[in-house]
Amino acid sequence: GAGVSQSPSNKVTEKGKDVELRCDPISGHTALYWYRQSLGQGLEFLIYFQGNSAPDKSGLPSDRFSAERTGGSVSTLTIQRTQQEDSAVYLCASSMGGRSQPQHFGDGTRLSIL
Amino acid sequence: DQQVKQNSPSLSVQEGRISILNCDYTNSMFDYFLWYKKYPAEGPTFLISISSIKDKNEDGRFTVFLNKSAKHLSLHIVPSQPGDSAVYFCAASDSAGNNRKLIWGLGTSLAVNP
Repeated sequence: GAGVSQSPSNKVTEKGKDVELRCDPISGHTALYWYRQSLGQGLEFLIYFQGNSAPDKSGLPSDRFSAERTGGSVSTLTIQRTQQEDSAVYLCASSMGGRSQPQHFGDGTRLSIL
Repeated sequence: DQQVKQNSPSLSVQEGRISILNCDYTNSMFDYFLWYKKYPAEGPTFLISISSIKDKNEDGRFTVFLNKSAKHLSLHIVPSQPGDSAVYFCAASDSAGNNRKLIWGLGTSLAVNP
């Protein structure tokens, strides 16, 4: 499809395991964003990529969280040594890059840590 | 500390009538505002935006009004349709540096009754 694609759609894992979440942005979109939404909360910004570089990582909650983007396209968000508080829906968005360009979202990955 | 507040968790409206969703913000540096709609198990979908240089933006049935002195914006949907039933999020950003992140409210769940 032409939209933002995220995989997996659901992930259940045990506390302490590492997880990788993948995002395929809309073709041609130079900017890519990761957010997360915990139960009953609004969306929380995690990190923003422009091309392959990340000018703003200010939302990453701890050093267990990291993200990379390769080829100006696919991005992976990695959470190491997962904790129960990491349980949330992780949303990826992409845009043409300018501030006035709206961000287009994928359907998210629902992460559950047991 | 919520910088973007949607004080009504839910709103119920009759089909054909006007829906008014409200949003308040505290950060005077915010200069770009967006409304998104979200259905269950899907990512947010962009609806309409407004820059702080304007006080109104209209797109079909959707109009956003911005009152900078009151730090308040509202989304009007008229006429409301059952398919508009969803959670509506208000989001804001400021122009500092490389900032592209959106700060989100907690959402208002709109139910349009046939």
